[in-house]
Amino acid sequence: GENVEQHPSTLSVQEGDSAVIKCTYSDSASNYFPWYKQELGKRPQLIIDIRSNVGEKKDQRIAVTLNKTAKHFSLHITETQPEDSAVYFCAASRGFQKLVFGTGTRLLVSP
Amino acid sequence: SQTIHQWPATLVQPVGSPLSLECTVEGTSNPNLYWYRQAAGRGLQLLFYSVGIGQISSEVPQNLSASRPQDRQFILSSKKLLLSDSGFYLCAWSTGGDSPLHFGNGTRLTVT
Repeated sequence: GENVEQHPSTLSVQEGDSAVIKCTYSDSASNYFPWYKQELGKRPQLIIDIRSNVGEKKDQRIAVTLNKTAKHFSLHITETQPEDSAVYFCAASRGFQKLVFGTGTRLLVSP
Repeated sequence: SQTIHQWPATLVQPVGSPLSLECTVEGTSNPNLYWYRQAAGRGLQLLFYSVGIGQISSEVPQNLSASRPQDRQFILSSKKLLLSDSGFYLCAWSTGGDSPLHFGNGTRLTVT
């Protein structure tokens, strides 16, 4: 089955810096890759997703890139703000199979 | 629009007591339904998922069970809680594998 690895487990940046979180997946047939943000004590919420027919997708300060050959995808946050502090989860799925999540990255943005 | 309701928000139960957590989805038909557990500071562990009424797949052997008595209702149960059952329980729904998961607000369970 699918296996998703996520790095780093913790990431500390200064406000205004960029943050990059990387994930690799094992199933070359996976075709859907969402990212979730979970604030402390809250539910995970979808922030951006990408499908395998697209290499990059942007939404304001957030972007996701996908390299199907290398089987990895990354989340890029530019101009980070303290409210970006949260745990971020990547995930992957194939067709109608269930999503497999990474282990999460705790992002800390210091003012 | 679709909404997901999960209750209760918090629950404190003694070891050995039963458990019933309920989740309902509105605004969609035949959703895929999921139960996840998240231990403190940890990742999302899939416990059960269901693609239809009465169809339950278990991901992790444990003393929990799930049922789907109606199309948009998903219930997580236990006959006797263990200390290790403490955690943040999240219900979620989707329309299929290549579509987003939408999570409920979660139930924080503390077993004492």
